[in-house]
Amino acid sequence: EVQLVETGGGLIQPGGSLSLSCAASGFTVTNNYMSWVRQAPGKGLEWVAIIYSGGSTYYADSVKGRFTISRDNSKNTLYLQMNSLRAEDTAVYHCAREPRDGSGYFDFWGQGTLVTVSS
Amino acid sequence: QLVLTQSPSASASLGASVKLTCTLSSGHSSYAIAWHQQQPEKGPRYLMKVNNDGSHTKGDGIPDRFSGSSSGAERYLTISSLQSEDEADYYCQTWSTGIRVFGGGTKLTVL
Repeated sequence: EVQLVETGGGLIQPGGSLSLSCAASGFTVTNNYMSWVRQAPGKGLEWVAIIYSGGSTYYADSVKGRFTISRDNSKNTLYLQMNSLRAEDTAVYHCAREPRDGSGYFDFWGQGTLVTVSS
Repeated sequence: QLVLTQSPSASASLGASVKLTCTLSSGHSSYAIAWHQQQPEKGPRYLMKVNNDGSHTKGDGIPDRFSGSSSGAERYLTISSLQSEDEADYYCQTWSTGIRVFGGGTKLTVL
């Protein structure tokens, strides 16, 4: 059974850094395209970053240069390193998986972890 | 620019049918999309992928009451025999190299 469990959220001051983890089970993260998607309070879904099975990474303009997506094969875990955090980064962060053929759509989602950026 | 447009809200009665629309931006009418459901206080759930020819691929365990179709730049999600648990936010999503895009979402109210 495919499962994605995010951890690492919390309260952080503006300008600070935070690292999120997404532990995967039921599949191998390096075989699939994996993304982070966030949802600000009361708002819709916003794609944040993706790592392809081959290792290429892409980012939304809103986080480019501040966030880094990565993965650890030995731990079967996806990560999001968030630096220079802003109030507008406050959101629930979900990890999401795409099918192995890199179809482009998300077929499994995690429940999310809440990041609050506030002084 | 790749953009998806959805109506913010929709409503229908218990047991009735509803058709939600997702419109692709100009120049992108051949793109496939996916529909995701987000029930209150829950993470999103993949419903189906809808191709430009109207064919669709549903996720595991998605009831037959959910179906997809397509016309031009519009992609549809039809839910028949509405149940109370169908009250949720519905998002369409598409993709291109290095980018994933969501529509603004439609909040479905079951009356």
